[in-house]
Amino acid sequence: QVQLVQSGPEVKKPGASVRVSCKASGFTFTNHGFNWVRQAPGAGLEWMAWISGYNGLTNYAQKFKDRVTVTTDTSTNTAYLDLRNLSSDDTAIYYCARGGWAVVGDASDAWGPGTLVTVSS
Amino acid sequence: YALTQPPSVSMAPGQTAKIACGGDNIGSKSVHWYQQKPGQAPVLVVYDDSARPSGIPERFSGSNSGITATLAITKVEAGDEADYYCQVWDTTSGHIVIFGGGTKLTVL
Repeated sequence: QVQLVQSGPEVKKPGASVRVSCKASGFTFTNHGFNWVRQAPGAGLEWMAWISGYNGLTNYAQKFKDRVTVTTDTSTNTAYLDLRNLSSDDTAIYYCARGGWAVVGDASDAWGPGTLVTVSS
Repeated sequence: YALTQPPSVSMAPGQTAKIACGGDNIGSKSVHWYQQKPGQAPVLVVYDDSARPSGIPERFSGSNSGITATLAITKVEAGDEADYYCQVWDTTSGHIVIFGGGTKLTVL
């Protein structure tokens, strides 16, 4: 069955960086892309970035372009989100979600359980 | 590009709930809809305006025309109470994904 297993919760200090991983199983990794979406406490969904599992093509929300890098490791079927220079505003649940391999616009038909990142001094 | 959803919709069990998602010429874009229950990850309920993923009941349907896309849920049940988000792919601002603000469906 399709599974996206995300790394565990993180607590970081302001100015630090965090890496969230998303290990995929139950489907062909390179046939899909991966969206990263976050949700601050009590807030809605916010799209951050997409990466193709096929060719590594990426798209970023303008808001995150300078602080976020998304990558994949096709040898381990894992997608990664790196977020730098954290502030308290980055406290949120971070989701990876399976999307299309070619374009960012395909629907996300499978989601990971989310990773809580807390930024606090 | 922005998507506008009503913050809340309330409906009695058995009725039809309609959740709107407004955007400039949204009818020219593909709209996806997600359901999110408290403490859970979102679940795709409608994609490409009106298609249903396997496992999603026929009670969920979508339409999209002009400046409004709509998610309709017929015969609303208590288990449908959740937040619902619409999503589009915006190519005018550099191939990005936009979510609506979300609508809380309350089943009375």
